[in-house]
Amino acid sequence: EPEVTQTPSHQVTQMGQEVILRCVPISNHLYFYWYRQILGQKVEFLVSFYNNEISEKSEIFDDQFSVERPDGSNFTLKIRSTKLEDSAMYFCASSMVGVDGYTFGSGTRLTVV
Amino acid sequence: GENVEQHPSTLSVQEGDSAVIKCTYSDSASNYFPWYKQELGKRPQLIIDIRSNVGEKKDQRIAVTLNKTAKHFSLHITETQPEDSAVYFCAACIISGTYKYIFGTGTRLKVLA
Repeated sequence: EPEVTQTPSHQVTQMGQEVILRCVPISNHLYFYWYRQILGQKVEFLVSFYNNEISEKSEIFDDQFSVERPDGSNFTLKIRSTKLEDSAMYFCASSMVGVDGYTFGSGTRLTVV
Repeated sequence: GENVEQHPSTLSVQEGDSAVIKCTYSDSASNYFPWYKQELGKRPQLIIDIRSNVGEKKDQRIAVTLNKTAKHFSLHITETQPEDSAVYFCAACIISGTYKYIFGTGTRLKVLA
C-alpha cells in the first residue's frame, strides 16, 4: 500500500533556530497538507497546498511558517524561528482528488528546547 | 468558526461490550466525516467514513451514523476487543475547496479484558 513518508521521525532544535520538515507524498496525489498535534491534544489543520500554491491556511500558520514543493516529489514545512510552543508532532498528508486516498504520514516529532 | 465537539474524552468498556463515541459539528456545509484510530506515537489511521448523502454505514464491527439535521455523527464499535484500545478522532470536512479536516478532541478508549 502506498505511504506518505516523513523525515526525520524526531527532531530536536534550539529555540530560535530554523527547521525544515520533509514529506514525500504518494506519487499520484495532487493535494498536500500539514497538520500539527501537540502532545495529548487533537490534530489541528495548518495548511493545504494544491497546484503549487497554498489553498488555505489556519491561524496557526503565521509568517514563521512556509511550505514548498521544491522538486515535484518532496513537500516541506519550514519554521523560520522556532518557539517552545512549536513542539508537537507534525503530520503531512496527501490526497488524490479531494478526500480520495487521504493518507497521513507517520509524523515528525519536533522538540524545541 | 469551524468546530467539532467530541464526547466522551475517555471511555472504558469491558471486552465484548459496545462503545459509542459522539461528535457534533458546527459548519452545516460539512459533508464528509471520517473517523480515525490513533495508537500511541503513531499516525492517525482511517477506520471508517461517511458522506452526507448516507445516514449509516457499517464495516464489520464498526458503524457510523449521521444526523445532518442535528449535525451529529457517531461511531459504534460492537464486540470490543483489547486491540480496539486507542484514541479515536472524528473529523468533518467540506468536499470542495481545500479538503481540510477539522478534528474532534479525541476519545481515549480502553477495552478491559
